[in-house]
Amino acid sequence: SQTIHQWPATLVQPVGSPLSLECTVEGTSNPNLYWYRQAAGRGLQLLFYSVGIGQISSEVPQNLSASRPQDRQFILSSKKLLLSDSGFYLCACRRDYGYTFGSGTRLTVV
Amino acid sequence: DAKTTQPPSMDCAEGRAANLPCNHSTISGNEYVYWYRQIHSQGPQYIIHGLKNNETNEMASLIITEDRKSSTLILPHATLRDTAVYYCIVSSWAGNQFYFGTGTSLTVIP
Repeated sequence: SQTIHQWPATLVQPVGSPLSLECTVEGTSNPNLYWYRQAAGRGLQLLFYSVGIGQISSEVPQNLSASRPQDRQFILSSKKLLLSDSGFYLCACRRDYGYTFGSGTRLTVV
Repeated sequence: DAKTTQPPSMDCAEGRAANLPCNHSTISGNEYVYWYRQIHSQGPQYIIHGLKNNETNEMASLIITEDRKSSTLILPHATLRDTAVYYCIVSSWAGNQFYFGTGTSLTVIP
């Protein structure tokens, strides 16, 4: 079965600093991968998805970018964080039915 | 954007059945209904999915109306550990747009 690893679990970063969140997947090959964000008290917002190495689709234009350098690696980045980037970031992988989610990274921008 | 509508919150007595409704009046013929739940500060957990027929697994039952415009997730004997936000999602089998709405916050009361 698929397992998703995300790190770090929590992160506090100052405004204007860069960001790199990494997600790796085990137990599958050529997965479809997704980044979601959940602001405090809100639902999950789809940010990016990738169907293969180097292929990124953006759902919402914003201060973030994503990359997929390897088959089972998905990275979320920012050059300069904004206060509004705070939230709970989740990586997900397509499975036989629905999605498997990682345990998430809680980012606080101060 | 999410294509579903759910009540924002519900209470259920421990040991009783929890019935969570979802409206998806614009669902397409090839779209499935998925249910996930999210316990605070964790990634969403898959519960069940269905296309036309009612479905049951070890966690819950899914009742889909004949016109497929609405569905109900049933937790037959709610426990305190079932307290979570429950999301109803419609998506095609291979779709990459898996949109979460705001969900229903279920509180199981002792």
